Amino acid sequence: SQQGEEDPQALSIQEGENATMNCSYKTSINNLQWYRQNSGRGLVHLILIRSNEREKHSGRLRVTLDTSKKSSSLLITASRAADTASYFCATDSMDTGRRALTFGSGTRLQVQP
Amino acid sequence: EADIYQTPRYLVIGTGKKITLECSQTMGHDKMYWYQQDPGMELHLIHYSYGVNSTEKGDLSSESTVSRIRTEHFPLTLESARPSHTSQYLCASSPWGQVQETQYFGPGTRLLVL
Repeated sequence: SQQGEEDPQALSIQEGENATMNCSYKTSINNLQWYRQNSGRGLVHLILIRSNEREKHSGRLRVTLDTSKKSSSLLITASRAADTASYFCATDSMDTGRRALTFGSGTRLQVQP
Repeated sequence: EADIYQTPRYLVIGTGKKITLECSQTMGHDKMYWYQQDPGMELHLIHYSYGVNSTEKGDLSSESTVSRIRTEHFPLTLESARPSHTSQYLCASSPWGQVQETQYFGPGTRLLVL
């Protein structure tokens, strides 16, 4: 299965609520990144957290990383309709044979106005 | 917005045709990537390059080929398109480094093979 797997696969919330997405991975990593993709578009980088960091903030985004559990979460606070998109985690594995990021299957977030 | 461009954005073509998907970046990045993504699904790495004259196959077996003659240009070619090639193709680039830093994505090419 994929190195990064997101949970839930889909999430529907009301504007103003918080949205939490989780990502689990299998190997040791150098860093973990979160990306956003609007329908039919390319991905946009949101935030990068390194393996020696536990939490990082960027605006309404909060990312946590638990390397002992090999998991990360992305929290979007006070969601807006414009946050509707798919969100992907991507890991940079320490596996020296792996020379690219590995993307998860994504969480599709729908924010209802 | 990242300075990475893909053309065409949409392509509808018949089976057996040869196609080239263009990708260019103006950020001077050494690393470039091609991903294949079906709607609403995960990304699959099909090719990557770490610099001029360097190309490698990715995780997903693909009948496409790539070339990297110039740093800024990483075209993907399908010699004979088939309906199974219908998908979205995303190009990305990142700066050189020992670890994988941020990747910058183009807008994608949506390919439909009839």
